[in-house]
Amino acid sequence: GNSVTQMEGPVTLSEEAFLTINCTYTATGYPSLFWYVQYPGEGLQLLLKATKADDKGSNKGFEATYRKETTSFHLEKGSVQVSDSAVYFCALTRSGSARQLTFGSGTQLTVLP
Amino acid sequence: DSGVTQTPKHLITATGQRVTLRCSPRSGDLSVYWYQQSLDQGLQFLIHYYNGEERAKGNILERFSAQQFPDLHSELNLSSLELGDSALYFCASSLLGQGSPGELFFGEGSRLTVL
Repeated sequence: GNSVTQMEGPVTLSEEAFLTINCTYTATGYPSLFWYVQYPGEGLQLLLKATKADDKGSNKGFEATYRKETTSFHLEKGSVQVSDSAVYFCALTRSGSARQLTFGSGTQLTVLP
Repeated sequence: DSGVTQTPKHLITATGQRVTLRCSPRSGDLSVYWYQQSLDQGLQFLIHYYNGEERAKGNILERFSAQQFPDLHSELNLSSLELGDSALYFCASSLLGQGSPGELFFGEGSRLTVL
């Protein structure tokens, strides 16, 4: 079946530090890949996506590249801010699905001033 | 604001009881998804409805059921509640058939506590 594996959290960084959150997946066919973010007390929001191999998704300074050869979709940001503190979820939908998302376990990020 | 409305935001009840969670999707969205978020299981897909019809089932217990009404709002019914059912229940919506795959819009969730 389909699955997503994220690096264990929590992750604590100082403001302006470089961020990487690792994500690898197992899926049949050609899934689409996503990063969702959940701020405290809120629902999940789509952060970025990539729908085919070698695509790079980017938004708000975050980016992730769909690597089919390593089945990975690592999230990166060059300089984090306190406002980036949230839980980040990697997710996929399998090709041809009715948009059901399979989520990773989430990674809690705390950015300290 | 995602445009998806869930009620109630918080609910405390006892084991063995039955509760109903309600979701109003974004205006124009035909698909509604229910997810359960718990500390030990993470985010689990429960069920998907499209325009009133069930489209897919995930890890939904037999004690749980859902429906989508003609006005497109949806309800998730949880019965014979157990302590382990305590979780945050999210509803999400999308306009199936248009837009990018996987772009779901989530509500703020209903936090259920079973005592």
